[in-house]
Amino acid sequence: ETVLMQSPGTLSLSPGERATLSCRASQNVRGGYLAWYQQKPGQPPRLLFYNTFSRATDTPDRFSGSGSGTDFTLTITRLEPEDFAVYYCQQYGGLPWTFGQGTKVDIK
Amino acid sequence: EVQLVESGGDSVQPGGSLRLSCAASGFTFRSYWMSWVRQAPGKGLEWVARIKEDGSEKYYLDSVEGRFTISKDNAKNILYLYMNNLRGEDTALYYCARGGSWFIDWGQGAQVTVS
Repeated sequence: ETVLMQSPGTLSLSPGERATLSCRASQNVRGGYLAWYQQKPGQPPRLLFYNTFSRATDTPDRFSGSGSGTDFTLTITRLEPEDFAVYYCQQYGGLPWTFGQGTKVDIK
Repeated sequence: EVQLVESGGDSVQPGGSLRLSCAASGFTFRSYWMSWVRQAPGKGLEWVARIKEDGSEKYYLDSVEGRFTISKDNAKNILYLYMNNLRGEDTALYYCARGGSWFIDWGQGAQVTVS
């Protein structure tokens, strides 16, 4: 099983700042098969990226996905008020599909 | 507009059974893999099961293998999760999701409580 470790656990930032979220895998993620989701309280997750950097419909340009092998990054260039949420990475390179434990981006 | 609406969540005793349903609309259901993902209270996400477009392939999380069964009715556009021999650790909000690898769309979830 591929374990995904997300860091930091919580990121406290102000609107307009840059956010860099890390997702590190316990083994190589085959094919770069990694996705990112955003979840707000009381809502289901929302897909942001798949295949590391392929943008989902409606994902704003200020978000970007990057990485390969075991190290992946979600970057938000300038935080908007609606971006404060929990972010999860997920790998589907090998069964079982697994998620990271999440990074909470909250308002400083 | 894609809609996924789960139903069937309930409170059951350990060892009990439940059937979750997910009514899908707004896309060609028979053309998509579908999945179930769960989230325990205050916790992260956990993939549970996925099923191929035509139902010919099914995959499960080890801890639910043999107890849960995923199926899809392409004539009715409904995804199911049959859950038997439920345990306390199965307590979670169960989401239906479009997709078998990454999850494109999600329902609002059905709450399953085992105690």
